[in-house]
Amino acid sequence: EDQVTQSPEALRLQEGESSSLNCSYTVSGLRGLFWYRQDPGKGPEFLFTLYSAGEEKEKERLKATLTKKESFLHITAPKPEDSATYLCAVREANNTDKLIFGTGTRLQVFP
Amino acid sequence: DGGITQSPKYLFRKEGQNVTLSCEQNLNHDAMYWYRQDPGQGLRLIYYSQIVNDFQKGDIAEGYSVSREKKESFPLTVTSAQKNPTAFYLCASTPETGFKLYGYTFGSGTRLTVV
Repeated sequence: EDQVTQSPEALRLQEGESSSLNCSYTVSGLRGLFWYRQDPGKGPEFLFTLYSAGEEKEKERLKATLTKKESFLHITAPKPEDSATYLCAVREANNTDKLIFGTGTRLQVFP
Repeated sequence: DGGITQSPKYLFRKEGQNVTLSCEQNLNHDAMYWYRQDPGQGLRLIYYSQIVNDFQKGDIAEGYSVSREKKESFPLTVTSAQKNPTAFYLCASTPETGFKLYGYTFGSGTRLTVV
C-alpha cells in the first residue's frame, strides 16, 4: 500500500535553532514529491516540488532535499513566522491525478 | 488577483440535511479536486475533475456528490448519507493534467460542522 509518513508529528524550536523535518514514502514509482505549508484554518500553500533523487530546492530559510525513499525539509535559523504545519505529498507514476498526503509536522518556533 | 474561492468559510449542517460547498477558480485551471482534512489524518481525496462535464471518485466518495458544468466551478454536495461529515474541506486546482506536474493551488477551506 502506498504510504507517506512524516516525522516528527510536532516540533518546538527556539528562534535560530535549525532542524529538519522528515517525509518517508513508499509508492510504486514516484512522479513528484510536494511540500506545502499550512497555517491554522487556511488552505495549504505550495512550497516545493522535487522530481528525482539528489534534487534540492531552496526558498528563504527552507531547503528541501530528496532521496529514493525520503525527503527532508531543512529549516535554517527559523523565525516565529515559520510556525505552521508542513505537509508532504507524493504523486504516483501510475495514478497521476492523485496526491497522497502525510499527516504533517506541526512546527512551533518560539522567540 | 487569481485564485480559488471557497464559500462559506463556516457551515453548519443539521442531521438529514444536504449542504453544498462552493469552489470557484479564475486561474483557467483544467483540473479541480476536493479533499477532506481531519485532525491527525492526511488530506483524503473525495472527487476530482479533469475536464468540464467529467469527474471521478476519489478514495472517500461515499456520501458526497459533485458537478462540473463550468470550468471555473466545482461544487461539492455533502449528502445525508455521509454519516461523519464534520471536517475541514479543501478545494484545489492545477493547470495541467496527465504527465506534467505542478503544485496544486488550494482554496482557503470550508469548515463543516454537524449540529
